Amino acid sequence: GAVVSQHPSRVICKSGTSVKIECRSLDFQATTMFWYRQFPKQSLMLMATSNEGSKATYEQGVEKDKFLINHASLTLSTLTVTSAHPEDSSFYICSAKYGGGELFFGEGSRLTVL
Amino acid sequence: AQSVTQLDSQVPVFEEAPVELRCNYSSSVSVYLFWYVQYPNQGLQLLLKYLSGSTLVKGINGFEAEFNKSQTSFHLRKPSVHISDTAEYFCAVSAGGTSYGKLTFGQGTILTVHP
Repeated sequence: GAVVSQHPSRVICKSGTSVKIECRSLDFQATTMFWYRQFPKQSLMLMATSNEGSKATYEQGVEKDKFLINHASLTLSTLTVTSAHPEDSSFYICSAKYGGGELFFGEGSRLTVL
Repeated sequence: AQSVTQLDSQVPVFEEAPVELRCNYSSSVSVYLFWYVQYPNQGLQLLLKYLSGSTLVKGINGFEAEFNKSQTSFHLRKPSVHISDTAEYFCAVSAGGTSYGKLTFGQGTILTVHP
């Protein structure tokens, strides 16, 4: 079956640094990928929609200058958390849309900002 | 816009007992409905989805759900649970068209199966 891989699965960084998270579709081309954030003991919230070759569309309340999304190829989308702060600590999950509508989720990336 | 309400934050149940996890949604447009399971520190695994057709949807691991348009519900059921079903379950909805795939999730229900 289709697989979506996220890397890194865990990352710890110091406050003020930037962190990049990758989301790859391993055996299919994904024209659209989605990024979600999940705070501890909470649900997933859609952050942005990433379309290959175009600018990401951000949900209301999500700072696009802080959460940079790049979808440079049909198999890779990246989320960069710029100047990370402790309140950005969260579980970030991507999903990729395949063909007519199958959705596949990555394993998630846990970011801890000290 | 859509919203999803999972009526129970936690559901404890004994092994081999039946379980129902409740989900209600609100939307001004037709939606597609999903149930996902999440194990600790992992991503989401799709249990089942309703796109169209029969309102009774069968998924993996013996789970099923029934779409009830009049009650705007999509409750998840399993006739006999196992210890391995202990996890968090999320109900989600998506609009169609170009918005398909943008999921709105419920708050989650933690299912704990006791021996």
